[in-house]
Amino acid sequence: DTGVSQDPRHKITKRGQNVTFRCDPISEHNRLYWYRQTLGQGPEFLTYFQNEAQLEKSRLLSDRFSAERPKGSFSTLEIQRTEQGDSAMYLCASSLVETDRRNTIYFGEGSWLTVV
Amino acid sequence: QKEVEQDPGPLSVPEGAIVSLNCTYSNSAFQYFMWYRQYSRKGPELLMYTYSSGNKEDGRFTAQVDKSSKYISLFIRDSQPSDSATYLCAMSLAGNNRKLIWGLGTSLAVNP
Repeated sequence: DTGVSQDPRHKITKRGQNVTFRCDPISEHNRLYWYRQTLGQGPEFLTYFQNEAQLEKSRLLSDRFSAERPKGSFSTLEIQRTEQGDSAMYLCASSLVETDRRNTIYFGEGSWLTVV
Repeated sequence: QKEVEQDPGPLSVPEGAIVSLNCTYSNSAFQYFMWYRQYSRKGPELLMYTYSSGNKEDGRFTAQVDKSSKYISLFIRDSQPSDSATYLCAMSLAGNNRKLIWGLGTSLAVNP
């Protein structure tokens, strides 16, 4: 399977704990995105990388959230001191920015976070 | 007013019906229009991708974009129970795909 891979798929954690999600994008895709989705809502943009550079962070991404893509391949999203409001599905996506500006985005299966 | 409006449904149709799903938007600068299908507790799956106005057909699926009316549609012909899912529209500005703006999604049930 050469799609976007996310791990873990499900995580239950106690409030105040730290959690980390990993994303492996489609091979050779140079853009990687993180979105968050709650039930009944469309995904909300969190941040994106082009290669290893983090080019934009949403205001939704508080100081407790940090994302990295150290070698321009896989990425991690860490949430520190989790709160119940962080419970959501965290989606990773990737795309290849081609010269003709076509830029379709492909999503992974998501990582479900439940904070209890 | 949200940038993208989509009726959340739910929509229930018999197998074989033609399904019409729609979104309206307010930002006339949107250039890329996408439809994603999402099964329960799964990530969104790209179904159709359209640049600017016009129609695009892929098998049983047809996407239409009317930029003058700021209105996009997805038609599903000969609907199947396996089409039961949530359908999300998404759009972005020209040259800027880092931030997709999404509709809420329409829940579709196709009954055998």
